[in-house]
Amino acid sequence: GQNIDQPTEMTATEGAIVQINCTYQTSGFNGLFWYQQHAGEAPTFLSYNVLDGLEEKGRFSSFLSRSKGYSYLLLKELQMKDSASYLCAVVGGSYIPTFGRGTSLIVHP
Amino acid sequence: GAVVSQHPSWVICKSGTSVKIECRSLDFQATTMFWYRQFPKQSLMLMATSNEGSKATYEQGVEKDKFLINHASLTLSTLTVTSAHPEDSSFYICSARDPRAGETQYFGPGTRLLVL
Repeated sequence: GQNIDQPTEMTATEGAIVQINCTYQTSGFNGLFWYQQHAGEAPTFLSYNVLDGLEEKGRFSSFLSRSKGYSYLLLKELQMKDSASYLCAVVGGSYIPTFGRGTSLIVHP
Repeated sequence: GAVVSQHPSWVICKSGTSVKIECRSLDFQATTMFWYRQFPKQSLMLMATSNEGSKATYEQGVEKDKFLINHASLTLSTLTVTSAHPEDSSFYICSARDPRAGETQYFGPGTRLLVL
């Protein structure tokens, strides 16, 4: 089976940087996703990591360490619209993704 | 990214009726689609994996006779909630795996089901 752990809630200030961590235990590994989900909407794709290292995409970056079973999503220059739930999802050996419970990020002025 | 549509966006129905939800990949062919359910303030719960041309694989605890899945073409999967009851009220979201993007899944906008 798979186990994914991420913080339930985080708060940050507009303009700041925030790092959302995700740790996982999985049988086999075929990638880790980060999705953003605003309240009442479906998730939208942010990033996909399958190799170790940092992937940067604009204000968002995602890091993966397969040996440590660890990933983080880094959000820079936070904006109010970044307030949302951030979902970590791991694709295991079965190629079926498992989602974490999500981290609710609150950005305040 | 790829586009996935879902229809309808909202459904309100009486208890005992059946509801069909469609999921379409608009600009790619998806051999695999997934159906999720999400209750308020909870994470996505995978209900089943839908493979084109074959029977869906259901997750443990999901009744296959109640949640009928049909993946008849490479761009369309349907979920039918049969004899819906109030406890089936939820946010149903489909996703499709884009073969051009490895394991990346793209989500439809979701369908809110309210059973009275």
